[in-house]
Amino acid sequence: AQKVTQAQTEISVVEKEDVTLDCVYETRDTTYYLFWYKQPPSGELVFLIRRNSFDEQNEISGRYSWNFQKSTSSFNFTITASQVVDSAVYFCALILNNAGNMLTFGGGTRLMVKP
Amino acid sequence: DAMVIQNPRYQVTQFGKPVTLSCSQTLNHNVMYWYQQKSSQAPKLLFHYYDKDFNNEADTPDNFQSRRPNTSFCFLDIRSPGLGDAAMYLCATSRRTGTPVFEAFFGQGTRLTVV
Repeated sequence: AQKVTQAQTEISVVEKEDVTLDCVYETRDTTYYLFWYKQPPSGELVFLIRRNSFDEQNEISGRYSWNFQKSTSSFNFTITASQVVDSAVYFCALILNNAGNMLTFGGGTRLMVKP
Repeated sequence: DAMVIQNPRYQVTQFGKPVTLSCSQTLNHNVMYWYQQKSSQAPKLLFHYYDKDFNNEADTPDNFQSRRPNTSFCFLDIRSPGLGDAAMYLCATSRRTGTPVFEAFFGQGTRLTVV
């Protein structure tokens, strides 16, 4: 069965610091998709990125960047120059191509950015 | 513009009194999901509709039911809410037509309180 682990349950940084959120996944499937979602205090899960298992190219979007490494089964998320508005719970998730439509979530990492 | 809309945002119900939560979408996605999220936990999938086909997770209690009268709307019925059912309920949609797998879009959630 598949599994997603976010070892950091809570991280606290000061504004403008860089921060990396770790995500490690387990699956025996060769085709799968990885996601990051942000959940601010309002409750809505906001989609950030999707990456398929055949695409190990890292991605940068503004202050956000993602490092996907199949060799270590990791899909880490870095926020550069963090801001107070980045404070939220971040979830890493996995979906298998042949497992219906079920997202397997990690436990989430609560990020607190202090002014 | 909101694409996945959940009503109400907050719902208070009495122990044992049936309650219905609603979700609508403007994305014309063929898959709709209901997740339960308890405090400081990851969302847990209750069930999903793939088009008109209902898919129940094995560990979803019988107390939870769902209806999808058309593509745009989906309802979560809790027949006899218990105190343990107090949680945030998240509706999500996605487009799924074989591969690739697309990201799910979430509503803002309904926070259910049972008194």
